[in-house]
Amino acid sequence: AQTVTQSQPEMSVQEAETVTLSCTYDTSESDYYLFWYKQPPSRQMILVIRQEAYKQQNATENRFSVNFQKAAKSFSLKISDSQLGDAAMYFCAVVDSNYQLIWGAGTKLIIKP
Amino acid sequence: EAQVTQNPRYLITVTGKKLTVTCSQNMNHEYMSWYRQDPGLGLRQIYYSMNVEVTDKGDVPEGYKVSRKEKRNFPLILESPSPNQTSLYFCASRAGAGTSYEQYFGPGTRLTVT
Repeated sequence: AQTVTQSQPEMSVQEAETVTLSCTYDTSESDYYLFWYKQPPSRQMILVIRQEAYKQQNATENRFSVNFQKAAKSFSLKISDSQLGDAAMYFCAVVDSNYQLIWGAGTKLIIKP
Repeated sequence: EAQVTQNPRYLITVTGKKLTVTCSQNMNHEYMSWYRQDPGLGLRQIYYSMNVEVTDKGDVPEGYKVSRKEKRNFPLILESPSPNQTSLYFCASRAGAGTSYEQYFGPGTRLTVT
């Protein structure tokens, strides 16, 4: 079965600094999609960034970028210039062979003012 | 506004009392799904539907039922709720095959079964 692992249950970062959240996954597919979702205290699930595995270029959305290492099956999220509003749970997810999303357990990000 | 709606947002009930959580999307999405979220376990899929009248079990289907009679609606039914079904529930939808598979989520339903 495909799995997604987020090894950091909790991370903290000083406001305005950079933080990287890690995600590794297991898949036998050659082409697939990967996602990072954010869940703030409101509990709403919000898409942060999306990566297509066949694209070598790492996805970027403003202050959010990924480091996608296909061979290593690694998909980390970098948040630059951290802001208080970035405090949330972050979930990594991968589309499996049945086109379902497989989710990691999440990383709680704390922003220190 | 494109959205997924769920009702109710909060529900406290007693063991054995049947309940339904509604889910509706206005994006004409073919695919809809139900998840439950528990601390430390991420999101686990309960049931999903690839299209009208087509439903399939996810990872944790026991104790739940679904139906998909219309494209926009995908209700979750708990015939006889038990305390281990206390959780946060999310409905999600996405477009069909050939897309990015990005899922759009409802606001969540916090269910407590006593």
